[in-house]
Amino acid sequence: AQSVTQLDSQVPVFEEAPVELRCNYSSSVSVYLFWYVQYPNQGLQLLLKYLSGSTLVESINGFEAEFNKSQTSFHLRKPSVHISDTAEYFCAVRPHRGGYNKLIFGAGTRLAVHP
Amino acid sequence: GAGVSQSPSNKVTEKGKDVELRCDPISGHTALYWYRQSLGQGLEFLIYFQGNSAPDKSGLPSDRFSAERTGGSVSTLTIQRTQQEDSAVYLCASSLESVSGGSPLHFGNGTRLTVT
Repeated sequence: AQSVTQLDSQVPVFEEAPVELRCNYSSSVSVYLFWYVQYPNQGLQLLLKYLSGSTLVESINGFEAEFNKSQTSFHLRKPSVHISDTAEYFCAVRPHRGGYNKLIFGAGTRLAVHP
Repeated sequence: GAGVSQSPSNKVTEKGKDVELRCDPISGHTALYWYRQSLGQGLEFLIYFQGNSAPDKSGLPSDRFSAERTGGSVSTLTIQRTQQEDSAVYLCASSLESVSGGSPLHFGNGTRLTVT
């Protein structure tokens, strides 16, 4: 079975500061990795994903995440956050052992950006 | 086009009553998921439908919970004899699934269930 651990339930940060949201996973097979974001009063949407190839993936709004297989991590980073980045961020994994497999989410990290 | 639609958006029910939550996925999406979102608990997987395959029910918390998907489209999540701990936001998501596993999930806005 797979599991996802998001080490911080809440991360407060000042505007224009860097931020890292941590995600570790556990799996006996290879996995695909995802970050989803839920802005206040909105539904969840995909932020970025790692399927294969380069271990560093980027989103269109400046976030990036790096897949580290040895540390089983997929931490999300942004060098300078904006007020509009305030949201809840969910890390998720899906095993790719053949066939169709469900997506498992972590508990979420609430990012609060202060002016 | 239209996104994932869930109804009702809010439901208040008395303990012990049965409830039905509905999800209309995006047309053509073969995969459909139900998740439960509780404060501080993140997204708890409930059930996963993929095409004509048998659903993955491994996340259903008790036999009071059941779900079906008719005609590969609309899905209904039923909770029998509701309990206060069932109070949560129930999220539905659909995906144009592929074995590669990279297709994103498209989420509905959820049904907020309150059991009094």
